[in-house]
Amino acid sequence: DTAVSQTPKYLVTQMGNDKSIKCEQNLGHDTMYWYKQDSKKFLKIMFSYNNKELIINETVPNRFSPKSPDKAHLNLHINSLELGDSAVYFCASSQGGRYYEQYFGPGTRLTVT
Amino acid sequence: GENVEQHPSTLSVQEGDSAVIKCTYSDSASNYFPWYKQELGKGPQLIIDIRSNVGEKKDQRIAVTLNKTAKHFSLHITETQPEDSAVYFCAAPSGGSYIPTFGRGTSLIVHP
Repeated sequence: DTAVSQTPKYLVTQMGNDKSIKCEQNLGHDTMYWYKQDSKKFLKIMFSYNNKELIINETVPNRFSPKSPDKAHLNLHINSLELGDSAVYFCASSQGGRYYEQYFGPGTRLTVT
Repeated sequence: GENVEQHPSTLSVQEGDSAVIKCTYSDSASNYFPWYKQELGKGPQLIIDIRSNVGEKKDQRIAVTLNKTAKHFSLHITETQPEDSAVYFCAAPSGGSYIPTFGRGTSLIVHP
């Protein structure tokens, strides 16, 4: 039973395209996150979201936007893809004030050509 | 500079040896310090964490120590096994945010 799932696992697309990555968690958690992991393995938080608050890392371009249709889902939309967007994107979730205990999805490897 | 610094970036040990990974943080208000393990092709997984009111915590072969005065914390793995090979991340809250900032990761390689 997958706790945090992401689709697709691999995404190859061309510059300028718009794409989405979906994330679902079945843990009943109230907070979800998106992270970007570059080729050097650096994990950078992009967004955190619960039903009260969206926190955006100010360094994230506004081409990236999270969309949450319900508590169990936080999708990532990316417009006008650039070469530098190539990375592995991870979704994660946590419950209540346990921000240090995050459950990560398997990742989506995005390649922009 | 970075809010959470992690060293070394790569650590190579022989099976059975101990491994130590160190992190420093800057936000004196930080009160929890998790460690994550990321295996190849997978997402990071929490393996242990320590709260600010505790100096040391152990779980089988892994332990974490915290020195609040010096603002550093360490992960200790004893009797390393090949399956311990992975990238390890420390994390700590920073900049007044309750969301942890991750260190840059340590690639641990355990040679059989």
